[in-house]
Amino acid sequence: AQKVTQAQTEISVVEKEDVTLDCVYETRDTTYYLFWYKQPPSGELVFLIRRNSFDEQNEISGRYSWNFQKSTSSFNFTITASQVVDSAVYFCALSEIGNQFYFGTGTSLTVIP
Amino acid sequence: DTAVSQTPKYLVTQMGNDKSIKCEQNLGHDTMYWYKQDSKKFLKIMFSYNNKELIINETVPNRFSPKSPDKAHLNLHINSLELGDSAVYFCASSLDGPTRPGNTIYFGEGSWLTVV
Repeated sequence: AQKVTQAQTEISVVEKEDVTLDCVYETRDTTYYLFWYKQPPSGELVFLIRRNSFDEQNEISGRYSWNFQKSTSSFNFTITASQVVDSAVYFCALSEIGNQFYFGTGTSLTVIP
Repeated sequence: DTAVSQTPKYLVTQMGNDKSIKCEQNLGHDTMYWYKQDSKKFLKIMFSYNNKELIINETVPNRFSPKSPDKAHLNLHINSLELGDSAVYFCASSLDGPTRPGNTIYFGEGSWLTVV
């Protein structure tokens, strides 16, 4: 079974629309960490955010916000007023005690001008 | 200065050749990794070294051999390259090993390997 599921393979939005990228994870640990990475067309993997399992407060950074809900095992990522530069593949990842990183399969976001 | 740097960025080579990809990190991290990203963008860990010691060795053909001369460097050597080895290879590092969760993994820019 997938530890991290990103059900949306590809999403297209028109510039200035808001978009939410879904991430659902599976773990039996009480202590774990969740991450989001961005891979723009140039190919590098850029770290965006880390969140531990004990902090369910939502996080906002500019146009980016993250909604962590343990009740639904989800860590969703919202981009507000999307821009063309947001076009990228976004990866959600999970890190558990005693285990390595588990990456989701990524969501490819295209922002159309 | 780039935190995790790997060279070359692009590599086109013929089947059967041997090639190396070099990686260096200047973050002072103890752990380094090699990941492979296939054409479907799936990221798969290949190896992990902590303070020059191999700690993760996933099911990877033994044509792939990592070498860590010191904790700031982790090179990947690939023998007898095959068409299926074509992929993007990412070097990465984290402060501690993967058995201590919560350490952010920082990636290099990737090396695009094409085997023809």
